[in-house]
Amino acid sequence: DAGVIQSPRHEVTEMGQEVTLRCKPISGHDYLFWYRQTMMRGLELLIYFNNNVPIDDSGMPEDRFSAKMPNASFSTLKIQPSEPRDSAVYFCASSSGTGWYEQYFGPGTRLTVT
Amino acid sequence: DQQVKQNSPSLSVQEGRISILNCDYTNSMFDYFLWYKKYPAEGPTFLISISSIKDKNEDGRFTVFLNKSAKHLSLHIVPSQPGDSAVYFCAATRGNEKLTFGTGTRLTIIP
Repeated sequence: DAGVIQSPRHEVTEMGQEVTLRCKPISGHDYLFWYRQTMMRGLELLIYFNNNVPIDDSGMPEDRFSAKMPNASFSTLKIQPSEPRDSAVYFCASSSGTGWYEQYFGPGTRLTVT
Repeated sequence: DQQVKQNSPSLSVQEGRISILNCDYTNSMFDYFLWYKKYPAEGPTFLISISSIKDKNEDGRFTVFLNKSAKHLSLHIVPSQPGDSAVYFCAATRGNEKLTFGTGTRLTIIP
């Protein structure tokens, strides 16, 4: 069975450019989470969805960040415009309603903004 | 305001010995705690969890201890094996799907 799929795995972009990260959750999972990992702050929850509806976006750093989940099998995290401080590893994770604490993470997207 | 803290960024342990990873939290409303393990270039994977109504949970070589009065939990790995070398994240929740993670501890098992 395929796990959580993220693309791209690596992204290098210049400051000011738009960046779009993509995620395909595990089929049948109804929760989807976006996290950011940095050395200083560890794993931070940015936003999560339940049945494609955003439930909590309090972790989204600022208006430059937006996330969508148009259907149960796809989600995007967009940064526009990107800044060097956005450089981090971004993880997508999914879970089922019954096993909500066991979140299944994708391999992550390493974003570098120069 | 880091609500979940892992004050040791790294830890080295001899193979076969016990590894003890520590985690402190500040939010007394947390009632469920978890440990995740992460290898390089992979996402974290769930390892073990504990409810606040318990003070110990064991799964094979892994045991998690919870001290609610001290707002402290620890993960014990006995015996430590080379494959245990990874970054370990502590996480906490108020009984829902929103997890708050710590900054992680890199464990290195020395052969």
